[in-house]
Amino acid sequence: KQEVTQIPAALSVPEGENLVLNCSFTDSAIYNLQWFRQDPGKGLTSLLLIQSSQREQTSGRLNASLDKSSGRSTLYIAASQPGDSATYLCAVDYGGSQGNLIFGKGTKLSVKP
Amino acid sequence: NAGVTQTPKFRVLKTGQSMTLLCAQDMNHEYMYWYRQDPGMGLRLIHYSVGEGTTAKGEVPDGYNVSRLKKQNFLLGLESAAPSQTSVYFCASRLATDTQYFGPGTRLTVL
Repeated sequence: KQEVTQIPAALSVPEGENLVLNCSFTDSAIYNLQWFRQDPGKGLTSLLLIQSSQREQTSGRLNASLDKSSGRSTLYIAASQPGDSATYLCAVDYGGSQGNLIFGKGTKLSVKP
Repeated sequence: NAGVTQTPKFRVLKTGQSMTLLCAQDMNHEYMYWYRQDPGMGLRLIHYSVGEGTTAKGEVPDGYNVSRLKKQNFLLGLESAAPSQTSVYFCASRLATDTQYFGPGTRLTVL
């Protein structure tokens, strides 16, 4: 069964710290991998999408890496801010006719001022 | 360009009642999806559609039906609501190889 795991489930850091969120997937034959942000009571906002042929993607203070062979992705957040507090979801697309995403359960991040 | 919209935002039902959730997208996307999000379970796929007039079952389809009569709309129906269907429902859409765009969600409580 294709599964996506995110560790840790929750993380609390002081403002200004650099941090890493982890995502692992059981089937390495992925099409792409996405990181989303979800604020309480809100929908999902796409942060970064990494195609299977790519190693990393960057957007501002965010950097996502992908290692297909080991079944891992990391989301690096530099110089964290209280506004970064949210739940971060990793999702894997295995392609095929469905095109749906397999989601991890998320990491709830709290950045303290 | 409103993106993906969902109606209603909140709803409370009694066991056995029926309702329809509406998802609309104005991006001319072919693919549309309904997910449910439950604490400790993450997002799970209920049904999906790869184009107008087509629908298919996802991971947790029981108790739900869907229709895609128009390309821009994807309807999720609950024929006889059960407390186990209390959840937050998200609709998403995408082009063939693009990212998925999500709606704001519908919070459903079944008493």
